[in-house]
Amino acid sequence: QVQLQQWGAGLVKPAKTLSLTCVVSGTSFSDYYWSWIRQTPGKGLEWIGEISHTGSTNYNPSLKSRVTISVDTSNNQFSLNLTSVTAADTAVYYCARGHPFGIYYPYDYWGQGTLVTVSS
Amino acid sequence: DIQMTQSPSTLSASVGDRVTITCRASQTISSWLAWYQQKPGKAPKLLIYKASNLETGVPSRFSGSGSGTEFTLTINSLQPDDFATYYCHQYNGYSGTFGQGTKLEIK
Repeated sequence: QVQLQQWGAGLVKPAKTLSLTCVVSGTSFSDYYWSWIRQTPGKGLEWIGEISHTGSTNYNPSLKSRVTISVDTSNNQFSLNLTSVTAADTAVYYCARGHPFGIYYPYDYWGQGTLVTVSS
Repeated sequence: DIQMTQSPSTLSASVGDRVTITCRASQTISSWLAWYQQKPGKAPKLLIYKASNLETGVPSRFSGSGSGTEFTLTINSLQPDDFATYYCHQYNGYSGTFGQGTKLEIK
């Protein structure tokens, strides 16, 4: 079965970099885009960005200057880095399977979520 | 950005009831609309895609309809497991947006 398992630091200091990684199993890694989504009580669910196995990326314009999503195809993993974090970046972060190439499709498989708190 | 507006924000209902949640898009999204169910501490679960297609394994009491800018999620004969928060999601392009959620509570 398709599984996404994510991990990363749950506490990040202000102005530092948030880093999370997601490993994928049970599905073809190369057939889909892979996304990061976050959820806050105030702004709800927010798409952060996506990456393909070739490294092709798309980012939310509101976060683009601070976000990098990278891929490690040898381990079926993709990662999120968000720089210069503030308290507003405190959220539950999810990785998710996105759309196949050339097809519109929603997020059908999600990681378990990681609560990241930005605090000194 | 396409804005998604859900109503109501909160809905109180009883087991066995039929409920409807509405989602409006700020511009047309054809049928590129999904519905998710989320329970506390869990990731959203995909229920419906392309406005009216039931995801595999989702009970048939869930149904979706609509196109363009107005969409509905209907749950027939509410079960205890259905009390959760529901989100719509437009995926008309790679950068989708979500509604703010509808919390379905037990009356």
